[in-house]
Amino acid sequence: DSGVTQTPKHLITATGQRVTLRCSPRSGDLSVYWYQQSLDQGLQFLIQYYNGEERAKGNILERFSAQQFPDLHSELNLSSLELGDSALYFCASSTGQGHNEQYFGPGTRLTVT
Amino acid sequence: QQQVKQSPQSLIVQKGGISIINCAYENTAFDYFPWYQQFPGKGPALLIAIRPDVSEKKEGRFTISFNKSAKQFSLHIMDSQPGDSATYFCAAIRTGNQFYFGTGTSLTVIP
Repeated sequence: DSGVTQTPKHLITATGQRVTLRCSPRSGDLSVYWYQQSLDQGLQFLIQYYNGEERAKGNILERFSAQQFPDLHSELNLSSLELGDSALYFCASSTGQGHNEQYFGPGTRLTVT
Repeated sequence: QQQVKQSPQSLIVQKGGISIINCAYENTAFDYFPWYQQFPGKGPALLIAIRPDVSEKKEGRFTISFNKSAKQFSLHIMDSQPGDSATYFCAAIRTGNQFYFGTGTSLTVIP
């Protein structure tokens, strides 16, 4: 158990809908990272937050947004969902804002029908 | 463009053998190269990592070999065990900027 929690574990929704994925980092970790893992694209970095502020941005679509709250939990919002958004979404956390060891959560499996 | 190229896609090794997974990168600005291990239904877990000023790092049965001039690095798993059967990802990171992962290698260790 990495200490990173993600909810929900599974999510099934229809195209065009909006969903919110939640992540709670390990106690004491200030950085949160979001990744998308799909069969054809592998593991893709989406975005990083450090202590409430955006630190790095990867291949995150404009339909997706994220934020980190004062209690350091983070949410990833996915809107206007398309079939191709079906994937595993992982959250990871680390102590600092650099490339410290990242601890991954168990993931949220999103299925868009 | 794939920033990190990983091979092979899948690997089958006999118990006790050596598993070797290779990665190559393009951007010389990368300054941290971790390897992750992922079991089915779980998130990736950091296995071992190296910085470009070191040519080799060993932790137990796992060794990273790093060739800065060739922009290549590899993971060697010595005395491979069935419990090592998992998917392995290499990654290249530029501090505070970007995080790129390889496409993964599915390792199967046959008893």
